[in-house]
This record gives sequence, structure tokens and C-alpha cells, in this order.
Amino acid sequence: DQQVKQNSPSLSVQEGRISILNCDYTNSMFDYFLWYKKYPAEGPTFLISISSIKDKNEDGRFTVFLNKSAKHLSLHIVPSQPGDSAVYFCAASIYNTDKLIFGTGTRLQVFP
Amino acid sequence: DVKVTQSSRYLVKRTGEKVFLECVQDMDHENMFWYRQDPGLGLRLIYFSYDVKMKEKGDIPEGYSVSREKKERFSLILESASTNQTSMYLCASSPPTDTYQPQHFGDGTRLSIL
Repeated sequence: DQQVKQNSPSLSVQEGRISILNCDYTNSMFDYFLWYKKYPAEGPTFLISISSIKDKNEDGRFTVFLNKSAKHLSLHIVPSQPGDSAVYFCAASIYNTDKLIFGTGTRLQVFP
Repeated sequence: DVKVTQSSRYLVKRTGEKVFLECVQDMDHENMFWYRQDPGLGLRLIYFSYDVKMKEKGDIPEGYSVSREKKERFSLILESASTNQTSMYLCASSPPTDTYQPQHFGDGTRLSIL
């Protein structure tokens, strides 16, 4: 039972364009959502998060959007750069449970 | 900066061996976690600990145990290694969730069981 789903295993985007990575969840109790980036042979690095009281959070080139009614969140990267090429995981948690539920990841490739 | 250090980047063991994976964090975090990452399956939680000597099973605890004798150190133990435990193992730490802080990960241990 996959509570957090990333239905696109891979995405290819040209440098300078927008990258949009999507994530769907099934558990309406989730109230904190995160995006991690992972390069090969390294651990995941925290990128950006959003709590359920917001519908948007922005940090430089990265913006996360949350649509609670659709149980959907997305990560926008503008403009995309070759260094953004990595696997991106979305994750969700329920307040005070300490556990994160991860999606299966989307491999982003940004080409020149 | 939070530093989570895993003792080995690569490890090769034989079937039936007892394997220890060590993780140390330097931020005095209460929570520590062990995950494994497999292609197409994302990160799956094996065990976590929210205090010294406390542990809880994650989603896939079978074949594993853990030890947390000191706050900064969390060990994952493969009691009798099997080939299906070949994977990337990731350790993470975080403050309590009521602070809405992310988990911070080590660089992982790629374990091969032959």
C-alpha cells in the first residue's frame, strides 16, 4: 500500500526551462511534506518542505505547491540547471509521529 | 551543519555472516532512523529510535535488529546476512517531529551480500 506515490520514474528537461516533479498521497492525516534530492553514492539532501497550513513555499529556484483537496504536491525548479540532475524523493509525515513515508523517486535529467 | 556519519561507504559480506552497520550523528538529535533504498522502491524504513535504548519497528524489520546505547550512535545489525539484503543502507537523524524539522541523512553504505 503505497501512501506516497511518484508516478513518473524519470523526467528530462532542457537547461533554463521549468522542471515540475509531482507527488500524490493517499493519507489525509499527512500534514508535513518534504522534498529531498539524491545524487548517486550520496545520501538524500533536504531541499524544501511545506506544512499543511500553507499551499506554497518558495526557496530560491525551488517552489513547492500543495493541493490538499487533490492530495497532490509538486516541486517546481526554475530555471533548471545541469547540477539539478538527480533523483528527487517526496516524503510525508503526520504530526508527532517522527516517521517519514517516502515516494519511489523521480530521476530528473537536465540537459544543455 | 548536521553531520551524520556512516562507518563504511562500501561493504562486502558473505551469506550467513553477522553484519554491523554503524551510524553517528553530532547534533544531539533524539530520533535516529535506518532505511534501505532499492531501485523502484524508494526509501523504506527498517527501524527507528526516539531515545537511548528505545526502538520501534519500521516497515521492513524482518532480518534486522538495532542497538542504541548512546544518543549519538545507532547501529543496524543483520543477524544472518542473506543475498536479498544487498542494498544501499541509509541512516538519518532528526529532532522530535513537533518541531517540524527534516531528517538529515548520512552518505549511505552500499552493502553486498555474496
